[in-house]
Amino acid sequence: AQKITQTQPGMFVQEKEAVTLDCTYDTSDQSYGLFWYKQPSSGEMIFLIYQGSYDEQNATEGRYSLNFQKARKSANLVISASQLGDSAMYFCAMPGSNYKLTFGKGTLLTVNP
Amino acid sequence: NAGVTQTPKFQVLKTGQSMTLQCAQDMNHNSMYWYRQDPGMGLRLIYYSASEGTTDKGEVPNGYNVSRLNKREFSLRLESAAPSQTSVYFCASSDGTGSIYEQYFGPGTRLTVT
Repeated sequence: AQKITQTQPGMFVQEKEAVTLDCTYDTSDQSYGLFWYKQPSSGEMIFLIYQGSYDEQNATEGRYSLNFQKARKSANLVISASQLGDSAMYFCAMPGSNYKLTFGKGTLLTVNP
Repeated sequence: NAGVTQTPKFQVLKTGQSMTLQCAQDMNHNSMYWYRQDPGMGLRLIYYSASEGTTDKGEVPNGYNVSRLNKREFSLRLESAAPSQTSVYFCASSDGTGSIYEQYFGPGTRLTVT
């Protein structure tokens, strides 16, 4: 069974600063991946970034990057140059058999002007 | 291309009533999923269908049934609603191919059981 832990229920960041959202995982699989999803107040789930365990370089998608440290079993999301529109819930998730996702409990990010 | 659609968007039920949540995807995906989201709990898998004609239980299946009607449609039924089933329900689909098997989510159904 997989387990995803997000230890930060809420985070605050000033506009234009960088912020790191923590995610640790536990899995017995040799090959695995991690997703990050964003959920704004409107409720939809938006895919942000993905990294596989065998990818050699950390994934980046625009202002989002994934700080993947396999030895620590962590896959932290880094948002650079925060914008007001980044205020949302952020979920870390790991796919398992049949691509089912196991989600963390989420981190509510608030970007202050 | 609508992606994943869900109906209804909102629903209020009385305890003991039944209802079916509908989900459809137009991306020709093989796999479909139902999750529920509760405050402080993240999303939890209720049921999934790896391919047309198959369904399996997820983490929290009690009180629910599903039907994979065809490749496009995957419905979730509450036979006798309980207040504990008050939640936001998300349907998702995935094609399960390639190096990234991203799940595409519907807009959600907000269900209140009184």
